[in-house]
Amino acid sequence: GDSVTQMEGPVTLSEEAFLTINCTYTATGYPSLFWYVQYPGEGLQLLLKATKADDKGSNKGFEATYRKETTSFHLEKGSVQVSDSAVYFCALLNNDMRFGAGTRLTVKP
Amino acid sequence: EAQVTQNPRYLITVTGKKLTVTCSQNMNHEYMSWYRQDPGLGLRQIYYSMNVEVTDKGDVPEGYKVSRKEKRNFPLILESPSPNQTSLYFCASSSRGFAFMNTEAFFGQGTRLTVV
Repeated sequence: GDSVTQMEGPVTLSEEAFLTINCTYTATGYPSLFWYVQYPGEGLQLLLKATKADDKGSNKGFEATYRKETTSFHLEKGSVQVSDSAVYFCALLNNDMRFGAGTRLTVKP
Repeated sequence: EAQVTQNPRYLITVTGKKLTVTCSQNMNHEYMSWYRQDPGLGLRQIYYSMNVEVTDKGDVPEGYKVSRKEKRNFPLILESPSPNQTSLYFCASSSRGFAFMNTEAFFGQGTRLTVV
């Protein structure tokens, strides 16, 4: 069945550092891909999405490009802030929604 | 304001005592779903519903029941809770179901359940 694999955390960075969180997927057909963010004590919020190959999703300085040839959707941000500290989930949507295990990011001042 | 509302947010209960976690959405969404979130496992789907009176099992349905008598509500029922059901639970809703591309899921704030 469909599945999503994320890099394991936790990830700790200093403010203004470059962020990459790897995400790869296994799916039949042409899934849509998402990154969700979960701030402490809150539910998941959609961060960005891409619905077809080579699409780039972007929001709040975060970007991810749908790479069908490598079945990947890595999340990147050029300069992280303390307020970006959260848990990030990669997800795919095909016949159903599948989530990765989540990656906890902590950004220190 | 568009939202998915879960209640309660926190619950501590004893083994075997039936409980219900409510979920309500105000977006007229057809699709609703329950997930549990456990460390290292991400979100796993418990049950989902494509529309009123239509429910189906997800990946981890054992020990849970759901009902969808009206579009806005999708309660999760634990008839006889056990300690392995201690987890963080999320309800989600979406328009037109996940069979359609470009569909975003909206999540509730979560219910942290502890079964002792």
